[in-house]
Parts: sequence; C-alpha cells; structure tokens
Amino acid sequence: AQSVSQHNHHVILSEAASLELGCNYSYGGTVNLFWYVQYPGQHLQLLLKYFSGDPLVKGIKGFEAEFIKSKFSFNLRKPSVQWSDTAEYFCAVNADRGSTLGRLYFGRGTQLTVWP
Amino acid sequence: DTAVSQTPKYLVTQMGNDKSIKCEQNLGHDTMYWYKQDSKKFLKIMFSYNNKELIINETVPNRFSPKSPDKAHLNLHINSLELGDSAVYFCASSQRLGTRSYEQYFGPGTRLTVT
Repeated sequence: AQSVSQHNHHVILSEAASLELGCNYSYGGTVNLFWYVQYPGQHLQLLLKYFSGDPLVKGIKGFEAEFIKSKFSFNLRKPSVQWSDTAEYFCAVNADRGSTLGRLYFGRGTQLTVWP
Repeated sequence: DTAVSQTPKYLVTQMGNDKSIKCEQNLGHDTMYWYKQDSKKFLKIMFSYNNKELIINETVPNRFSPKSPDKAHLNLHINSLELGDSAVYFCASSQRLGTRSYEQYFGPGTRLTVT
C-alpha cells in the first residue's frame, strides 16, 4: 500500500522567512503528486500538482515543489511567506495506473503558522 | 459558481439517528469521492464512484452507504450514528481519462457532530 510522510507536524515562521515542507512517499510505481492547502474552516484547495515532465512545478500563491524520484520526495517551498499563508498543508499521492487508480493517499498534514 | 457543493455544512444529531449528506459537482467530472477527516485532520478515502459505478470501497462500517443517482451527484447516508462518526466529511470529484485519474477538487465539507 502507498503511504505518505510529512515530517513536520507544526512549523512556525515569521513573515518573509523561507519555507520548505518535507513530503516523502512509498510506492514502487509511477505516481501523481499533489499539495493541498486548507485554510482555517475551509475546504482543501489544490496548490500544485505533478504528473510528469519538469520535476520543478510551480503552483498558486508563489508556491513551488520539486519531485526527486530517487528520494521519493516532493517538498513544498516558498521563498517568502506571508501571514495569509497560515494554514494546514497536505501532501497527497495517487498511483498513475492500476487497481488503486484515483485513490488519494494523504500525509497527516503540516500546520504552518506565520507571525506578522 | 461553486464547483463542488455539499449540504448541509453542519449537522448535529444524536446517537442512533440516520442522516444523509448530499454532494453535487458542476465540473463535468465523471468520478466522485467521499473522504473523512478526523479530529487530528487526517484525511482518509471512504468511497469512490465512476460514472455511477462504485470503484473504491474502503474498510468502512456498512452503516455508511453511498448512492450516486448520476455523474454529478454523490450522497452519503449514515445509519445508526455513533459518537465515533463525528468528523468532517468531504466530497471530491475528478476526471478520469482512459487509465489516468486527474486532480481532485474538494467540496466545503460537512461537519458532523454526534451527541
């Protein structure tokens, strides 16, 4: 079965600091990778996605992520965070093909708190 | 225009009751999902329908029964509610193209509280 690990449970930063949230997955086949954000009291919104091609993907709100296949990682980055980035961030993976098609496996989430 | 909508947003009910949550998507997607988010914010898939056919059925008590009347709607009925059913339930939808499944779009969630 696939699994997703997010190493940081809670990250606290000051505004303008740089952000990197770690995500590792375990699956032997081809995967699709996602980062979702959940602002307080709201639904999950897609930040960015990777299906194939350039391993450095850019998403909304200045976020980017890099897929490193050899490390089974898909870390999320932002050069300068803002107070409005305070939210819960979820890494998710699904198999590109096969019997588990469509089944999204989520990490346990990282709560990001940004102080003004 | 709400892409994926759910009703109700909040649901407070007593143990033993039966309740339903409705979901509708206007994205033209052919696949819909139900997820449960527990108190620690962990998200786990419960069910998925593709073109009204059940394709994912995780280990969920059979008190939970999904129904998809058409591609745009997926409802979740819960019988004999228990305290442990308290959670936020999210509906999502995506498009399948051949053997590939694309990103999922989530609804606003239904916060179910069982007292």
